[in-house]
Amino acid sequence: TQLLEQSPQFLSIQEGENLTVYCNSSSVFSSLQWYRQEPGEGPVLLVTVVTGGEVKKLKRLTFQFGDARKDSSLHITAAQPGDTGLYLCAGKTNAGNMLTFGGGTRLMVKP
Amino acid sequence: GAGVSQSPSNKVTEKGKDVELRCDPISGHTALYWYRQSLGQGLEFLIYFQGNSAPDKSGLPSDRFSAERTGGSVSTLTIQRTQQEDSAVYLCASSHQYRGTGTSYEQYFGPGTRLTVT
Repeated sequence: TQLLEQSPQFLSIQEGENLTVYCNSSSVFSSLQWYRQEPGEGPVLLVTVVTGGEVKKLKRLTFQFGDARKDSSLHITAAQPGDTGLYLCAGKTNAGNMLTFGGGTRLMVKP
Repeated sequence: GAGVSQSPSNKVTEKGKDVELRCDPISGHTALYWYRQSLGQGLEFLIYFQGNSAPDKSGLPSDRFSAERTGGSVSTLTIQRTQQEDSAVYLCASSHQYRGTGTSYEQYFGPGTRLTVT
């Protein structure tokens, strides 16, 4: 059983559409990170959220941390083909610097 | 500067053979992590080294898996008597040393080693 559940697992959309990816857990995290991974490469950090209710924006990407620090969402506005990739959420507890990863959302944006 | 490097990039081995995977972390990073990623899935934590402390081995799936870190830098992940279910991408990451509650250091990942056990 995964500690972090991501949904959807797969998403195929047309260029210009909006989308939201969800990351949910029954556990509380001290911080939560979102990564993007392209084929043949390791994940690359997009953002870290640490405060319940926090919202961070990175160009067309908006990240939100739930008030209870158990869930998070990633919203992409006007998706571009360059947004295609595997998006991973990862939570950190106060027990150390190890990350617990969600199962990932594979996004494909068609031109 | 140089990022995390891993070698080999691909490894095909026969069931029952031992394999060694290498990770060179970013210079100055004292924390090093190994993860395993099945095809298109999330990452599974394996082991974590922090400075001179004893490693956290809580994620190792069996006693066939072991890892060491020599001189606080390079790490080797060894899988003995490989099985087909060991096939995956093995990712290494490094970061500055964790310093307690409220701090969080970004983990920088290498490109991974794709292991195929036939």
